[in-house]
Amino acid sequence: NAGVMQNPRHLVRRRGQEARLRCSPMKGHSHVYWYRQLPEEGLKFMVYLQKENIIDESGMPKERFSAEFPKEGPSILRIQQVVRGDSAAYFCASSAGQRGNQPQHFGDGTRLSIL
Amino acid sequence: GENVEQHPSTLSVQEGDSAVIKCTYSDSASNYFPWYKQELGKGPQLIIDIRSNVGEKKDQRIAVTLNKTAKHFSLHITETQPEDSAVYFCAAVKKLVFGTGTRLLVSP
Repeated sequence: NAGVMQNPRHLVRRRGQEARLRCSPMKGHSHVYWYRQLPEEGLKFMVYLQKENIIDESGMPKERFSAEFPKEGPSILRIQQVVRGDSAAYFCASSAGQRGNQPQHFGDGTRLSIL
Repeated sequence: GENVEQHPSTLSVQEGDSAVIKCTYSDSASNYFPWYKQELGKGPQLIIDIRSNVGEKKDQRIAVTLNKTAKHFSLHITETQPEDSAVYFCAAVKKLVFGTGTRLLVSP
């Protein structure tokens, strides 16, 4: 039973380009979460999605960042016009039920570097 | 919003000793408290969790205790081994809010 799969594992972009991060949840999981982690820090919540719906985006920057979880295919975190401060590890997690009712299982992250 | 504090930030023990990591939370409505272990270059791995209707839970060498009144919860690792070396995060849920992490180093 495959775990949460994220790709790419490493992504390098120049300032001003777009970054697209993908996350395939565990089989049977319909709830997806995105977190950002800076070096030597904990994970910060960004967004919580259920199939085709954004449930909570209170941790998402208002500009340049967007997330989707379509009916078919992986969840996508999209960062437009990247800046140096976007460099971080981005983790995706999934759960079988609503946040707080079921444990979240994490992927191994995408490490985004902005040149 | 919810705030989770975690101590210590670094913990060094000898193999075979016990390790204790403590967390406090602010939102009394939080009802689920998972603990994650993160190894270098990997995502957080759930190692144990506890719900607010339980005071203690144990799984082999790992145990977690919860004091709802004081809003404290702790991770206890007994008979530590070098492979326990990692960064450990506590978290409190309604929304999953992480502590700042504890780097555990177990020396052989």
